[in-house]
Amino acid sequence: AQSVAQPEDQVNVAEGNPLTVKCTYSVSGNPYLFWYVQYPNRGLQFLLKYITGDNLVKGSYGFEAEFNKSQTSFHLKKPSALVSDSALYFCAVYSTSGTYKYIFGTGTRLKVLA
Amino acid sequence: GAVVSQHPSRVICKSGTSVKIECRSLDFQATTMFWYRQFPKQSLMLMATSNEGSKATYEQGVEKDKFLINHASLTLSTLTVTSAHPEDSSFYICSAISGTGGYEKLFFGSGTQLSVL
Repeated sequence: AQSVAQPEDQVNVAEGNPLTVKCTYSVSGNPYLFWYVQYPNRGLQFLLKYITGDNLVKGSYGFEAEFNKSQTSFHLKKPSALVSDSALYFCAVYSTSGTYKYIFGTGTRLKVLA
Repeated sequence: GAVVSQHPSRVICKSGTSVKIECRSLDFQATTMFWYRQFPKQSLMLMATSNEGSKATYEQGVEKDKFLINHASLTLSTLTVTSAHPEDSSFYICSAISGTGGYEKLFFGSGTQLSVL
């Protein structure tokens, strides 16, 4: 079965410190990987995606993510967290074989403490 | 970037009534739109895939007759919750793909909070 796992319901980090939000996946075929952010009562906003090429992908608002094929992971990172980064983050995979649909993780709530 | 407009943002209705939610792509043509349902502190659950000019493809367990989806043009898809009940209360989000590649990034509407009394 195809799935996306975000093992942490919540991540707390102090402002100015680096942050990591974890994501692992299990899909057949070559996965296309995405990170989205959701603010309260809003839709999701695209942060970044990995399709092919360099394993380190840079996205919006200073976020980046590293694709690791052997570990089937796509962790979201930022060198220095801001209070305004506090939100709900979703990892998503688009499967290129089988279902051809987007699969979302359960989300990780990031709380950046001043 | 591409903009998806979803309306209304919030609706409160009585049990038994029907509610229509609109999703518009404002500056691009969206051949495919998706409708999601999100429960508090949970992930997005795909309800259906809406293709312009054809019937929507519903996910397993989603009632077609209850959640009517119409994608009559390349810029508009609607979700109608028919005979709404309190258990239908949820946050509904639409999204659209800009481009023809299935792996293109999704653009999301701002969501509709439905409360059924």
